[in-house]
Amino acid sequence: QKEVEQDPGPLSVPEGAIVSLNCTYSNSAFQYFMWYRQYSRKGPELLMYTYSSGNKEDGRFTAQVDKSSKYISLFIRDSQPSDSATYLCAMSVVSTGNQFYFGTGTSLTVIP
Amino acid sequence: GAVVSQHPSWVICKSGTSVKIECRSLDFQATTMFWYRQFPKQSLMLMATSNEGSKATYEQGVEKDKFLINHASLTLSTLTVTSAHPEDSSFYICSPGGGGTDTQYFGPGTRLTVL
Repeated sequence: QKEVEQDPGPLSVPEGAIVSLNCTYSNSAFQYFMWYRQYSRKGPELLMYTYSSGNKEDGRFTAQVDKSSKYISLFIRDSQPSDSATYLCAMSVVSTGNQFYFGTGTSLTVIP
Repeated sequence: GAVVSQHPSWVICKSGTSVKIECRSLDFQATTMFWYRQFPKQSLMLMATSNEGSKATYEQGVEKDKFLINHASLTLSTLTVTSAHPEDSSFYICSPGGGGTDTQYFGPGTRLTVL
């Protein structure tokens, strides 16, 4: 079993839709949860990170962590064509370091 | 967030040649550098971890003699792919660590194509 599972998609939504991206994990020791956005042929760009359970909101993006279910989500409201990218979840026991575990990424296309 | 640069952004080389990729941490001192590889439609895979001034630690299955990592300063790390083969074609991404960053940031990546 992989440490982190993420549906690779692809996911296509119309502009303005609410997008829900999810990851599940198996290691209950994970404390830090990150979402990265990766455009084609570019490095991952940090979108949001959260520590432990709860919600965190930043503009149109909301990150949600449910440690009891080992489940994290990223919601994108009022999706825009510029949101079209691959979204990677990542998690770790510590805030920085080499023990980052990544999902495979979900490819999202927002159709104008 | 941390500012990280990589050079070159894209390189094409012939099989058997060596390629050097530079990674610079522009706004903080990276005591550690993580090198990742990403194949198409796959996630990032950690290749090696280097600490400034010491030898790198390689992940299982990564040949240390093929992927030479140098981390001579707190702002520069290099990855040299020696005797490159077509199967080494991939996207190589560095990620600096240490220096009090709140989480992991990544470079823009280098796309290597070996003919």
